Order: sequence, then structure tokens, then C-alpha cells
Amino acid sequence: EAQVTQNPRYLITVTGKKLTVTCSQNMNHEYMSWYRQDPGLGLRQIYYSMNVEVTDKGDVPEGYKVSRKEKRNFPLILESPSPNQTSLYFCASSLRGGWGGSNQPQHFGDGTRLSIL
Amino acid sequence: SQQGEEDPQALSIQEGENATMNCSYKTSINNLQWYRQNSGRGLVHLILIRSNEREKHSGRLRVTLDTSKKSSSLLITASRAADTASYFCATDPQALIQGAQKLVFGQGTRLTINP
Repeated sequence: EAQVTQNPRYLITVTGKKLTVTCSQNMNHEYMSWYRQDPGLGLRQIYYSMNVEVTDKGDVPEGYKVSRKEKRNFPLILESPSPNQTSLYFCASSLRGGWGGSNQPQHFGDGTRLSIL
Repeated sequence: SQQGEEDPQALSIQEGENATMNCSYKTSINNLQWYRQNSGRGLVHLILIRSNEREKHSGRLRVTLDTSKKSSSLLITASRAADTASYFCATDPQALIQGAQKLVFGQGTRLTINP
């Protein structure tokens, strides 16, 4: 089954404790992206990747890191989480990267709800 | 800044009625997409309309795009209880820099279908 898988689905942790949210897709998609969803603010893009070893900042990249060493995986790293990073996070992928890569339907994971105390 | 803004923020109708949601955006776009999000789940792609298209259909969904007014509408006909969800428009702004990738979401319309 074609899917985007995020782990964990829920996490409660404390300020400053490094964490990683994994994202994996099995559709051989080139383009992957991370979003956070907050009430009243909608979805905002954190980082995106057009292909392996190619990543770039979205609208709200501060406090986050990403890597794209393999095509299928795009982990989101919070080196020193803070309470303002409490949010619902979504990973998404689409078929094509490069110019116009966001010109494709995106497939979303089911989300990761992070609470930073 | 938000590129797409949906209107209304919330809509409640009776089953069987049609539901119309609107999306306005600010800059020129390559395409506009509509997504559905059921409570607690990820977004599901519904339909994509390109900037050179004016109308598109998919089952009970009808999407229109007016680039002169920078607006789009999503019509769901003969609504069902299962259509209860939040609906988001997402725009792909024309990038000034080649290779820049962005899909910008609005804040969504919360649709409730009453049995």
C-alpha cells in the first residue's frame, strides 16, 4: 500500500531533550516536505527536499533540522525542543522534484502530535 | 504570510445539500489544490487545477478557478455525513527563483454535514 509513515504518532517530552521524528515513503517520490499545523495558523512549511541530499528552508525552519540521505526517508530533528514547538507535524511527499515539484498532489502521513513541556 | 484564505471558516449544512467553499490568494500561481482533513488525520488530496484551467470535476466535486480575481471555489454536491471534515486550499505560487518549491496552505473551512 502506498503510504507516508511517521513515527512516533504522539510524543510528550521536555525542553532541551533532542528528538527525531521519522518519515518514510514507499512511493519512490522525489519531493518530501515537513509542515506544522497550529490552530488559527493553518499548515506552515518547515523544510522541504527536492531529492536526495537537496534540502531547503520553508517558512518556519528555526529550531529544526532535516536530512535526506536516502530517497525514502526524511527525518525531522529538534536539537533542543522548546514549548513553542508543541504542534501537530505532518510529513508529505510527491512524485517529482526539481522545478515545479510542488506542482503535484502531495501524500500526507497521519501526523505526529508533539508536546514539549 | 498566508497565501490562501478560505471562506467561510465554518459551514454547517443538512445532508443532501450542496456545500460551497471559497479560497482567495494573493500572488500569481502555477496551480491550486484542494485537500480534505478528517479529524486527527493527515490531509488527503482531492483535486488539482492548473492556472490555465477554469473548471474541473471529480465525482461530486467541482472546482473553479478565476485567476483574474485570484479566487477558487470548491463545490460538494449532494453532501453526505462522511463529507464532514476540514477543507484546505493550497497554492503553488510562481517562484521568482528557479527551483524554489512551495505549497502554501490556507487555514481551512470546517464543514459539518448534519444527518
